[in-house]
Amino acid sequence: AQSVSQHNHHVILSEAASLELGCNYSYGGTVNLFWYVQYPGQHLQLLLKYFSGDPLVKGIKGFEAEFIKSKFSFNLRKPSVQWSDTAEYFCAVGSGGYNKLIFGAGTRLAVHP
Amino acid sequence: EAGVAQSPRYKIIEKRQSVAFWCNPISGHATLYWYQQILGQGPKLLIQFQNNGVVDDSQLPKDRFSAERLKGVDSTLKIQPAKLEDSAVYLCASSSLSGGAYTQYFGPGTRLTVL
Repeated sequence: AQSVSQHNHHVILSEAASLELGCNYSYGGTVNLFWYVQYPGQHLQLLLKYFSGDPLVKGIKGFEAEFIKSKFSFNLRKPSVQWSDTAEYFCAVGSGGYNKLIFGAGTRLAVHP
Repeated sequence: EAGVAQSPRYKIIEKRQSVAFWCNPISGHATLYWYQQILGQGPKLLIQFQNNGVVDDSQLPKDRFSAERLKGVDSTLKIQPAKLEDSAVYLCASSSLSGGAYTQYFGPGTRLTVL
């Protein structure tokens, strides 16, 4: 069965620190990859997505992610975090005709000023 | 463009009662999804519709959960009877085909507490 693993459940950083959140998946076929973010009190929002092409994708708010097919990974990065990046981040893998999503358990990021 | 709408936002019921949630997808989105998100976990797909037909309901506990999308737009998810373990946030999402694949957009969710 497909699964998505997010390595860190809680991450605490100071402003201006660099961020990397890990995401690995298990699925042998063609996948589409997503990162969603949930800010406190808000609903899930799309941060970025990878369907095909350049494995380095850029999303909103300065986030980027790199798809490494050989490692089944899709790690999220940001060179310098801000307090407003405090949120929960979910990695999701889509497959099949309608892109059925399997989500990771999420990583809760707290950024201290 | 309006997002996915859901109601109610919060619901508290006692076990063995029934409850229903409503979702209105983004206009023009033919695909609609219901997810269950238990505290500390990622969302888990319960059921997926394409227009008014069910595409995938393999993870829907059919003995107590039901969902419909009669006219291919709004959808309702019902739980009857509810159990304590049904306490969760129920998310609705809809999607459109863009760039060769479907991208899902989520509503605010309904937080259900079963006492």
